Amino acid sequence: GNSVTQMEGPVTLSEEAFLTINCTYTATGYPSLFWYVQYPGEGLQLLLKATKADDKGSNKGFEATYRKETTSFHLEKGSVQVSDSAVYFCALSDPPVGGGFKTIFGAGTRLFVKA
Amino acid sequence: GAVVSQHPSWVICKSGTSVKIECRSLDFQATTMFWYRQFPKQSLMLMATSNEGSKATYEQGVEKDKFLINHASLTLSTLTVTSAHPEDSSFYICSALMGLAGESEQYFGPGTRLTVT
Repeated sequence: GNSVTQMEGPVTLSEEAFLTINCTYTATGYPSLFWYVQYPGEGLQLLLKATKADDKGSNKGFEATYRKETTSFHLEKGSVQVSDSAVYFCALSDPPVGGGFKTIFGAGTRLFVKA
Repeated sequence: GAVVSQHPSWVICKSGTSVKIECRSLDFQATTMFWYRQFPKQSLMLMATSNEGSKATYEQGVEKDKFLINHASLTLSTLTVTSAHPEDSSFYICSALMGLAGESEQYFGPGTRLTVT
């Protein structure tokens, strides 16, 4: 079945450091890929997405490229800020047989950014 | 962006009682809503898909008689945990789907923390 694997946290970085959070997936079809972010005390928010191979999603300085050959969708940011401290979830959406909508999430990676 | 609310944000109940959690889409109509369960340091696990005006579709292993879902309107879905036990203690998150197939996007509520004593 479909699954998402992302690196375990927590990840602790100093402000302005480079961030990479690895995410790989397995899917039987052609899924869309997502990164969601959950700030403390809040719900999940869509950070970025990519719907086909070689697409690059970007938002708020974060980027991720849909790599079909390596089944990966790694999240990167060139210079993190304290305000980026949150939990990041990699996810895929692959319409199940019979139609509909279904999202599968990775375990989440907690990021701490120190001033 | 679109807003989804959940109520209550946290609840403590005694074993054997029932608890109802509400999920509302505040500024859009959602024919489809989802209920997830999240254990500490673990992923969100889909419990069921809630469709307005019809029965919910439960994921394998989720007891439909224990987790009652009602999607009575285009802006409200409820999850009732019946005869709750300590092992039902968890973080429950709902989401609402906005848009048409192929262009739809999920919006998540802030979650409800349930503690069963």
